[in-house]
Amino acid sequence: EIVLTQSPGTLSLSPGERATLSCRASQSVSSSYLAWYQQKPGQAPRLLIYGASSRATGIPDRFSGGGSGTDFTLTISRLEPEDFAVYYCQQYGSSPPYTFGQGTKLEIK
Amino acid sequence: QVQLQQSGPGLVKPSQTLSLTCAISGDSVSNNSAAWSWIRQSPSRGLEWLGRTYYRSKWYNDYAASVKSRITINADTSKNQFSLQLNSVTPEDTAVYYCARTVAGIGNFPHWGQGSLVTVSS
Repeated sequence: EIVLTQSPGTLSLSPGERATLSCRASQSVSSSYLAWYQQKPGQAPRLLIYGASSRATGIPDRFSGGGSGTDFTLTISRLEPEDFAVYYCQQYGSSPPYTFGQGTKLEIK
Repeated sequence: QVQLQQSGPGLVKPSQTLSLTCAISGDSVSNNSAAWSWIRQSPSRGLEWLGRTYYRSKWYNDYAASVKSRITINADTSKNQFSLQLNSVTPEDTAVYYCARTVAGIGNFPHWGQGSLVTVSS
């Protein structure tokens, strides 16, 4: 089973700043089957990025994903007030089990 | 668009069976390119994929090793829904449970149910 480790655990930034979140896998993620989700309190996770770098439907272009192999990043170019939330990465290989990282909390500084 | 609506009891006694249902609108549970999963979330275990069911000329299931001996996921084509049963629950199974959909054999989750908090307590 692939273990995903996200860093930092908490990121404190101000609106308008750039956020960079990291996700490291315990082994190579095949075909860049890496996704990012945003979760706000009381809501289900929302898919932001799939295939490491493709934005899901309706996701603003200030969200971008990159990386390959074992190291992936989610970048939010200019933070909007609604972007403060918890972010998770997920690997989905060629078959289950699917695993998630433990999350990065993005909070207002 | 695809919508998933969850239902089921919010309180289950230890050693009993947790049962949840996910009703599908905007798609068919028998869709040959979709798969239907259950995922749970708790402070201690984070987001944990539990298993899935899908139809490719016949029904298939995959389950996480951590719950494989206790879990059953079934589809009900007459009601266009799928269900989760988790046997012999303990307080460690207390979590928010989500149903979710994947498409085209790709395991990311663009569609989620609203979540159901299930507490295991006597």
